[in-house]
Amino acid sequence: KAGVTQTPRYLIKTRGQQVTLSCSPISGHRSVSWYQQTPGQGLQFLFEYFSETQRNKGNFPGRFSGRQFSNSRSEMNVSTLELGDSALYLCASSTGTSGSPNEQFFGPGTRLTVL
Amino acid sequence: AQKVTQAQTEISVVEKEDVTLDCVYETRDTTYYLFWYKQPPSGELVFLIRRNSFDEQNEISGRYSWNFQKSTSSFNFTITASQVVDSAVYFCALSDRSSGDKLTFGTGTRLAVRP
Repeated sequence: KAGVTQTPRYLIKTRGQQVTLSCSPISGHRSVSWYQQTPGQGLQFLFEYFSETQRNKGNFPGRFSGRQFSNSRSEMNVSTLELGDSALYLCASSTGTSGSPNEQFFGPGTRLTVL
Repeated sequence: AQKVTQAQTEISVVEKEDVTLDCVYETRDTTYYLFWYKQPPSGELVFLIRRNSFDEQNEISGRYSWNFQKSTSSFNFTITASQVVDSAVYFCALSDRSSGDKLTFGTGTRLAVRP
């Protein structure tokens, strides 16, 4: 069974640009969550999508957005990039079953560098 | 509010030594789940264990063992007879009933196992 895949693995952008990151979950998983990892703030939850709907959201500005497609693949977008957006962006997938937290499987991440 | 504290920033041991990674958590919920993840240099978070708040039984998996104590709000992780391949950053995380699949992570403990 293929794991969670994220593309691209590395990305370099300049301030003010926008970026789109992609995540393909494990086959059969309907939930995709996104996390940002930085040396200063650690691992922080961005948002979760389940069945094409945002189910949970962290405390990030509106420049960070996401969506999920009918095949459960998800994209996150960051507009008007700032230097502080440089981070490792991790995607996690799970079955999304409600009632109790599910085991989440993480992808290898996309390392974004903003110059 | 949820909080996870990993007070040990870095630990260095010699191969074959036992090492314990500490995790202290805070939550107002009576129903919650605790997790441990391993992050090798490749960046991907590898799931190690999930434990719910109603199960205080300690768990052992090979060289890994976990000690869950609700009385002290701790969920410590011990590696017995450490190996060089155990070198990684280890994260403790918490999810409660109100947060669904959203994980609140500690700041991580970097473990270096020297040959």
